[in-house]
Amino acid sequence: AQSVTQLGSHVSVSEGALVLLRCNYSSSVPPYLFWYVQYPNQGLQLLLKYTSAATLVKGINGFEAEFKKSETSFHLTKPSAHMSDAAEYFCAVSANFGNEKLTFGTGTRLTIIP
Amino acid sequence: EPEVTQTPSHQVTQMGQEVILRCVPISNHLYFYWYRQILGQKVEFLVSFYNNEISEKSEIFDDQFSVERPDGSNFTLKIRSTKLEDSAMYFCASRALRASEQFFGPGTRLTVL
Repeated sequence: AQSVTQLGSHVSVSEGALVLLRCNYSSSVPPYLFWYVQYPNQGLQLLLKYTSAATLVKGINGFEAEFKKSETSFHLTKPSAHMSDAAEYFCAVSANFGNEKLTFGTGTRLTIIP
Repeated sequence: EPEVTQTPSHQVTQMGQEVILRCVPISNHLYFYWYRQILGQKVEFLVSFYNNEISEKSEIFDDQFSVERPDGSNFTLKIRSTKLEDSAMYFCASRALRASEQFFGPGTRLTVL
C-alpha cells in the first residue's frame, strides 16, 4: 500500500522568496514519486518525477525536488517564487512496476504575495 | 505537442441518468486511467486499463461504472445511474509503454442534480 502526506494545505510566500512544499510518502515497494501542478480550471501538469535515478530531480519552471529515503520525503523547492507559480501542487506516488496507478496527496495551495 | 483531450468539459445531468465521459489519449500510449477529484478533495484513482481490459480498479469503481475503448482512439467512462455524490471533476490519463509518467487531460466537470 502507498500513501502521501502533504504538510500544509495552504502556503503563502512573497514574490522572490524560497518556495518549499513538503511531501512525505509511505510505500511498501520502491516508489516512483511525482509532483503535479494544477492551475485554476485546468488539468494536472507534470512538474517533475523521481524514478530511482538521481535523487535530486529538476523539473519545469525552475522547480526541483530531492528524494530522501531515510526521511521518506520528496519536498518541492524553488529558489525564487514568481507570481505565475500560484497554483495547487500535488505530490503523488506509484509503485515502480505494474500499471503504476498514482496515489495523490491532498494538495497544497500556493499563494504568492506581491 | 501531443496531449490528452476530454469531452465534454462540463456535463450536467439529473440523478439516475446515464453519462458517458470521453477521452482521447495520446496516440502511442498503451495504459489508460480514470481519476476523479471531488471539489476540495484530493485526486482519487478509479480504474486502469491495458490491453483492452481493466488491470486495476478502486473501491469507488463499483458496478455503476464501466470503461471501454470502442475504437483505436477513444477511451470512455460510463456511469449507468448517476448519484449526487458522483459530482466531481473526472480526469483521464495515459502512459506510454516503459514510461513512468502519466499525462492528464483537462478534465470533465460532472454535475449531478
